[in-house]
Amino acid sequence: DAGVTQSPTHLIKTRGQHVTLRCSPISGHKSVSWYQQVLGQGPQFIFQYYEKEERGRGNFPDRFSARQFPNYSSELNVNALLLGDSALYLCASTPRDRGPEAFFGQGTRLTVV
Amino acid sequence: GQQLNQSPQSMFIQEGEDVSMNCTSSSIFNTWLWYKQDPGEGPVLLIALYKAGELTSNGRLTAQFGITRKDSFLNISASIPSDVGIYFCAGQNYNQGGKLIFGQGTELSVKP
Repeated sequence: DAGVTQSPTHLIKTRGQHVTLRCSPISGHKSVSWYQQVLGQGPQFIFQYYEKEERGRGNFPDRFSARQFPNYSSELNVNALLLGDSALYLCASTPRDRGPEAFFGQGTRLTVV
Repeated sequence: GQQLNQSPQSMFIQEGEDVSMNCTSSSIFNTWLWYKQDPGEGPVLLIALYKAGELTSNGRLTAQFGITRKDSFLNISASIPSDVGIYFCAGQNYNQGGKLIFGQGTELSVKP
C-alpha cells in the first residue's frame, strides 16, 4: 500500500515568490494535516483538513493557506516567501477526524534564497 | 509555538545498552505518541498511548503514558546501530482535533 506521498521533494524559491506543495494521503484516510519543521526542532502544526473542511489552524500568518480536494489530496500554499519559511514541510494523514495516529510523508524541503 | 519538553536532547551510547528518554508538559494530553525520524525523511510512528498509566511495547521499544497525563517515557532495550535517529514525543488533545504538539527531539547515536 502506498503511504503518504508529497511533491516536490525539494524546492528552491526566491524571497517574495509563491509556492504550492502537494500531498496525497494514504488510501482511505480522509484527514490531512500540514506541519512545518525547521532544522533542529520538532514539527509545528499548520493546518488540518477533514472532508474538505478546515478543522484546525496553527499560529502561522495568513500567507499560509491550504485546501483539500474531493479525492482527499491537499495543497499547501505560501505567498510572499520569507527566508524564515525555509523548512521541511510535512504532510500527515489520519483515518479519522481526530486521529490521533498521524502517518507522515517524506516531506518537501523548501529553501528560500 | 507550544512544545513539549523532551530530554535528553542527545545521547551517545554503546551498542547493546538500554536507552531512556522522556517528555513532559505543563498541560494534560489525551494521547501520547512516539515517532522516529531519520535524516531527510518524515517521522515514523513507533508507539501510540491512549490511557493514563498505559504501558505499551513494540519489539525492543516500551513506552508509558504518565498517570498525571502530563508526561511520557520511551525505553529502548539492547540498542543496535539502526536505532540511530531523532526520537520525538507528541501529545494530542481531543478538543484540538487532530493537532499534534511535538517535543524538540532526542538525537540518539549508537557506537558499534
